[in-house]
Amino acid sequence: ETGVTQSPTHLIKTRGQQVTLRCSSQSGHNTVSWYQQALGQGPQFIFQYYREEENGRGNFPPRFSGLQFPNYSSELNVNALELDDSALYLCASSTATGSSYNSPLHFGNGTRLTVT
Amino acid sequence: TQLLEQSPQFLSIQEGENLTVYCNSSSVFSSLQWYRQEPGEGPVLLVTVVTGGEVKKLKRLTFQFGDARKDSSLHITAAQPGDTGLYLCAGKTSYDKVIFGPGTSLSVIP
Repeated sequence: ETGVTQSPTHLIKTRGQQVTLRCSSQSGHNTVSWYQQALGQGPQFIFQYYREEENGRGNFPPRFSGLQFPNYSSELNVNALELDDSALYLCASSTATGSSYNSPLHFGNGTRLTVT
Repeated sequence: TQLLEQSPQFLSIQEGENLTVYCNSSSVFSSLQWYRQEPGEGPVLLVTVVTGGEVKKLKRLTFQFGDARKDSSLHITAAQPGDTGLYLCAGKTSYDKVIFGPGTSLSVIP
């Protein structure tokens, strides 16, 4: 069973640039969630994708966008980067079922983004 | 907006001591999960509690879900250096999304 993998592991960008982060889901998982985690804080929910459509979004501006592909892998795109976007970006996959309340999130190790 | 609070924010104890961390909310959650995160890694699920009043044990860790399903606690007995990490509680919302608390950073000193 392949776990959740994220790329790249580290990235340095300049304010105003655009960035794309990638995530491969764990085998058999059909839902992907993205989180932003500032240093010393808990993960903040950005959005979730199920069957290639966004089906939930946290309090993030439209310059944060995403995609989910037919193989359930996903991308997070951030436009017009700001200094406060510096954080660890975590991708988590899970399985949505009729009784999904106990479906755990399986996280990758994240992408550390630094905006200068 | 459903929010989760955790206390304490930081905890530094000696090996062998006991500790309890708390997770509270003004909202009801259909389930609560506890995760542990180590530096450079993503969070890893420890347990899911679903029923109000439920108690689950995982070796030296005891998890409790409040009767009203608004709060939870994690008790660690005889802490070991390997328990060091960021402990996160997470609640599944009515829209089936998982939101996290700010975490409790635990340091167990040998």
